[in-house]
Amino acid sequence: DGGITQSPKYLFRKEGQNVTLSCEQNLNHDAMYWYRQDPGQGLRLIYYSQIVNDFQKGDIAEGYSVSREKKESFPLTVTSAQKNPTAFYLCASGSGSWYEQYFGPGTRLTVT
Amino acid sequence: SQQGEEDPQALSIQEGENATMNCSYKTSINNLQWYRQNSGRGLVHLILIRSNEREKHSGRLRVTLDTSKKSSSLLITASRAADTASYFCATEDQGGKLIFGQGTELSVKP
Repeated sequence: DGGITQSPKYLFRKEGQNVTLSCEQNLNHDAMYWYRQDPGQGLRLIYYSQIVNDFQKGDIAEGYSVSREKKESFPLTVTSAQKNPTAFYLCASGSGSWYEQYFGPGTRLTVT
Repeated sequence: SQQGEEDPQALSIQEGENATMNCSYKTSINNLQWYRQNSGRGLVHLILIRSNEREKHSGRLRVTLDTSKKSSSLLITASRAADTASYFCATEDQGGKLIFGQGTELSVKP
């Protein structure tokens, strides 16, 4: 089955800890994206990568970091510097343009 | 800043009725997309309409685009309980990134 996976579905962390969210795709897409969604809100872009070993900041990159060492993988680290990390995190991939993104099922992160 | 904004924020209808959601945007676009999100899930792409298209159909979905008014509408005909979800429009900003609206929460009652 082709698709995009995120793990885990639910994640709980204590304040002050870094946490890494996984995102893997086997759609052979060049571009991958991380979004954050807060209750009742739309999606906000955190980071995106259009090619392996390259990535750019989105609108709300502060407190987050990413890597793109493999085409299939785009992990997101939520650092202790992120002031309000509790949110629903969505990973997406696409063919390299900004058209038709394919989304993973999301990871709900709760930091207490 | 918000590029696409949906209206209404919430819509509740009976099964079999039509549901119409609207999206307004601010700057010129190359295309506009509609996505659906079931509660607690990822988004699913529904339809893309290009700036030179006025109307597009996909099954029970009908999307219109009026570039002069910078607006789009999504019509779901003969709605079903399974259509209950949030619906988002997405457009490109000037840097080419996708900007999502806040969504319309549709509830279809059986």
